[in-house]
Amino acid sequence: AQKITQTQPGMFVQEKEAVTLDCTYDTSDQSYGLFWYKQPSSGEMIFLIYQGSYDEQNATEGRYSLNFQKARKSANLVISASQLGDSAMYFCAMKDYGGATNKLIFGTGTLLAVQP
Amino acid sequence: EPEVTQTPSHQVTQMGQEVILRCVPISNHLYFYWYRQILGQKVEFLVSFYNNEISEKSEIFDDQFSVERPDGSNFTLKIRSTKLEDSAMYFCASAYGHSSYEQYFGPGTRLTVT
Repeated sequence: AQKITQTQPGMFVQEKEAVTLDCTYDTSDQSYGLFWYKQPSSGEMIFLIYQGSYDEQNATEGRYSLNFQKARKSANLVISASQLGDSAMYFCAMKDYGGATNKLIFGTGTLLAVQP
Repeated sequence: EPEVTQTPSHQVTQMGQEVILRCVPISNHLYFYWYRQILGQKVEFLVSFYNNEISEKSEIFDDQFSVERPDGSNFTLKIRSTKLEDSAMYFCASAYGHSSYEQYFGPGTRLTVT
């Protein structure tokens, strides 16, 4: 069965510094996708970045990059130059493309607090 | 930019009452989902819907739950007889295709069962 593990319940980072949020996953499938979503205190889910299992390069979207290490089954999110508005809950998620549907399986999340 | 909308944003209901949560997915999307997030916990998959039928449901999605796409634009989640433990944020999401990598989430409906 698929599983996403986020071992950091909470993280602090100083404004303008970089931070890495950890995510490991477990799947027996060869074709899958990995996602990061941001959930601010207002509650909505905001898509940040995606990495496909066959993508050879790490995904980047502005200040977000995904450190994908396939052999270690990890997909860590790196936020560079943290801003106060980055304070939020961050969820790692996975989608199995070999299944009957493309539901997302989420981790338990990491609460990031950016300090001035 | 097109977006998924959900109404109401907050619903308070008494235990045992029926509730209908409404979603309007992005117009050219074909795959629709409901997820649930109990306060302080992770987001959990409830059900996926394609071609006017359920394609997958989780064990949470028991006989008290049903989904419907009544008119080609709305996508609804009905809880027949609410329980206290149904209190959660309910997210609707949609995607264009099976292999589309992004699911677009709505803003959520916070359901409070008293």
